[in-house]
Amino acid sequence: QVHLQESGPGLLKPSQTLSLTCSVSGGSISSGNYYWSWIRQPAGEGLEWIGRIYTTGTTIYNPSLKSRVTISRDTSKNQFSLKLSSVTAADTAVYFCAREPEGDDYADSFGQGTLVAVSS
Amino acid sequence: DIQMTQSPASLSASVGDRISITCRANQSISTFLNWYHQKPGKAPKVLIYGASSLQSGVPSRFSGSRSGTDFALTITSLQPEDFATYYCQQSFNTPWTFGQGTKVVIK
Repeated sequence: QVHLQESGPGLLKPSQTLSLTCSVSGGSISSGNYYWSWIRQPAGEGLEWIGRIYTTGTTIYNPSLKSRVTISRDTSKNQFSLKLSSVTAADTAVYFCAREPEGDDYADSFGQGTLVAVSS
Repeated sequence: DIQMTQSPASLSASVGDRISITCRANQSISTFLNWYHQKPGKAPKVLIYGASSLQSGVPSRFSGSRSGTDFALTITSLQPEDFATYYCQQSFNTPWTFGQGTKVVIK
């Protein structure tokens, strides 16, 4: 049973860079047919898919965020990360990491989520 | 981006009721439609993938169907643990997009 856990600062100032890490246990991020994804949810709102990284390291991003987003991985630590630059209050949300089986393209496992607030 | 329109935004129901939630895509997405539910303060959990395939471990009272670009999630005999917010998600084209959500509350 795979387990995902997000970590990172919970409070940022406008223009700073959001950096979150997802630690994965019970499965390797560098093997198997899976994508490793980030999804966010502003308080009281719906879900927004940010992007994902494949086991080979290939990435794809939501065009609405592409200019500010980088998803990377550290296979030695079995972690993948999200960086979102130049944050504003609109980036305040709960951020989830997730696993997507290749071909089915749905998130079959999520982390518990971590709240990131952007405030001056 | 593909737009997903979900309805209703909320519905009130009783334990034991049969309910349906609908989701419409603004273009063809074949059967690349997934359903999740989410309880307050928790991560979403997938119920149905590929429009009608039941995720392992999900009770059989949940089912999904498709008619063209219209999709439905049906819950027969609503249980107390089913009161939550439900989201559809298309996985036909990136970026994946979600419906606005349907909140199911106790009548």
